[in-house]
Amino acid sequence: TQLLEQSPQFLSIQEGENLTVYCNSSSVFSSLQWYRQEPGEGPVLLVTVVTGGEVKKLKRLTFQFGDARKDSSLHITAAQPGDTGLYLCAGDSSNTGKLIFGQGTTLQVKP
Amino acid sequence: NAGVMQNPRHLVRRRGQEARLRCSPMKGHSHVYWYRQLPEEGLKFMVYLQKENIIDESGMPKERFSAEFPKEGPSILRIQQVVRGDSAAYFCATLEGIDNEQFFGPGTRLTVL
Repeated sequence: TQLLEQSPQFLSIQEGENLTVYCNSSSVFSSLQWYRQEPGEGPVLLVTVVTGGEVKKLKRLTFQFGDARKDSSLHITAAQPGDTGLYLCAGDSSNTGKLIFGQGTTLQVKP
Repeated sequence: NAGVMQNPRHLVRRRGQEARLRCSPMKGHSHVYWYRQLPEEGLKFMVYLQKENIIDESGMPKERFSAEFPKEGPSILRIQQVVRGDSAAYFCATLEGIDNEQFFGPGTRLTVL
């Protein structure tokens, strides 16, 4: 069974702090996607990474795909209360679009 | 989210009843994925369909669950004789782009009493 281990599971920080969320697996993924999910809503795609070593930036969010395409990280700089939410990583190992999800990281940013 | 629509948004059923969940991707999108999110758990893949065909149903429970995506109309996830353990959020997603990006609908929250 393929697994995507996401950590930490919960994170509570003060506004202005930096944080990093990790996704690790023993499997190789053809692509890896990061989502953010609000309560009562569906996941919203933030970014897709496909190339080993790739780094993508989205304002204060930096996403990295490991060289071996087995792991990824999400770094948020100067977190704001509006960043509060559930962050999910999801990998596609079969290149069919079938995604394996991590358990999610619940982030709370206090003003 | 690429205009993926799901209905109903909330569905309440008693044990033993049937639940029908509908997913309408944007016109022209022929790939649909269904995922289930149990309380306090991550999303789990259930089934992948293209128009009129089931491509991968490896995540679907063997009994009581079925899915279809007819030539015309929405994709349907059908749960027969629901049990309390079926209570969850069910999401569908459509495929877009060369990187197989998936865009999710808002989900159907099923509650089994």
